[in-house]
Amino acid sequence: DQQVKQNSPSLSVQEGRISILNCDYTNSMFDYFLWYKKYPAEGPTFLISISSIKDKNEDGRFTVFLNKSAKHLSLHIVPSQPGDSAVYFCAASSNFGNEKLTFGTGTRLTIIP
Amino acid sequence: NAGVMQNPRHLVRRRGQEARLRCSPMKGHSHVYWYRQLPEEGLKFMVYLQKENIIDESGMPKERFSAEFPKEGPSILRIQQVVRGDSAAYFCASSPGQDSPLHFGNGTRLTVT
Repeated sequence: DQQVKQNSPSLSVQEGRISILNCDYTNSMFDYFLWYKKYPAEGPTFLISISSIKDKNEDGRFTVFLNKSAKHLSLHIVPSQPGDSAVYFCAASSNFGNEKLTFGTGTRLTIIP
Repeated sequence: NAGVMQNPRHLVRRRGQEARLRCSPMKGHSHVYWYRQLPEEGLKFMVYLQKENIIDESGMPKERFSAEFPKEGPSILRIQQVVRGDSAAYFCASSPGQDSPLHFGNGTRLTVT
């Protein structure tokens, strides 16, 4: 049972435009959500997180939006840069903690110069 | 400040052999986590340890898998009598506490022949 779903395996975006990556979850106990970025042959790198008490969190070019009623979150990257090309994983946990994350299957983002 | 160090990066084992994967957390981090990524899937939680204690092993297969984080030295993930289905990338992560994002190592890619 996939509790965190990233339904788009891949996404291509022109450099300078906005990239929007989506994530859906089914477990109502999840209250903390994170986005990780992964380059080939490397481990995931933390990007940004959001707690369920918020609906938006922003950090530079990255903004995460949370819609609790729809059990949906999205990551916006603007403007997109070539270095943003990577696989992006959505992750979720309960008890506002990091100790047991449930990951989605990832979306491969390609930024076209 | 060195990141999370995992070794070896690549490990090849024949069916029935033992695999030992090592992880040295970041300096100052006392929380260690192991995740496994099967091909075309997201990372799946295996076990969460603190020094000399297993806190949560709910993601560990019941047989053949064990993990430890001794008082001195790296954390070890041990897989006995490996089978082809154990072939995966194994990622270790560390954090200074439950409220801090996880820092991942670059993983050990295990191939069972």
